[in-house]
Amino acid sequence: GENVEQHPSTLSVQEGDSAVIKCTYSDSASNYFPWYKQELGKRPQLIIDIRSNVGEKKDQRIAVTLNKTAKHFSLHITETQPEDSAVYFCAATSYGQNFVFGPGTRLSVLP
Amino acid sequence: DAGVTQSPTHLIKTRGQQVTLRCSPKSGHDTVSWYQQALGQGPQFIFQYYEEEERQRGNFPDRFSGHQFPNYSSELNVNALLLGDSALYLCASSPGGGRNTIYFGEGSWLTVV
Repeated sequence: GENVEQHPSTLSVQEGDSAVIKCTYSDSASNYFPWYKQELGKRPQLIIDIRSNVGEKKDQRIAVTLNKTAKHFSLHITETQPEDSAVYFCAATSYGQNFVFGPGTRLSVLP
Repeated sequence: DAGVTQSPTHLIKTRGQQVTLRCSPKSGHDTVSWYQQALGQGPQFIFQYYEEEERQRGNFPDRFSGHQFPNYSSELNVNALLLGDSALYLCASSPGGGRNTIYFGEGSWLTVV
């Protein structure tokens, strides 16, 4: 089955700097890769996603890149703000299958 | 338009007891999945329901069972509770038979003592 690894487990950046979180997956059949943000005590919320027919997707300060050959995808957050502090989870899935999540990255944006 | 709703939000049970958690999917969604999220970890897939049947199941023992009703709402039942069952239980719904992204409810925090 699918296995998703995520790095780093914790990340601290200064406000205004960029943050990058990387994930790798094992199943070449996976074709959908969402990212979720989970604030303390709250539910995971979808922030951006990418499908395997696209190499990059951007939404304001957030972007995701996908390298199918290397089986890895990354989340990029630019101009970080204190409200970006949260735990971020990547996931991988294929058509009609369950989502497999990474272990999460705790991002702290320092003022 | 209400999102995914879950109940109860918090509960405490004793080891060996049974618990039932409930979920109402987002309007227009017909597929419900349940995930267990232990403290400091990512969500782990328990099972998925579509058309009132369990369609997929993760690596969880038979103590975990579920049900989906004709209105697409769902229940998660856990029997013979263990201390290790303490976690946040997340319900996620999706439209189109599960062939789209999933949206989570706020979860049910279960503490087993």
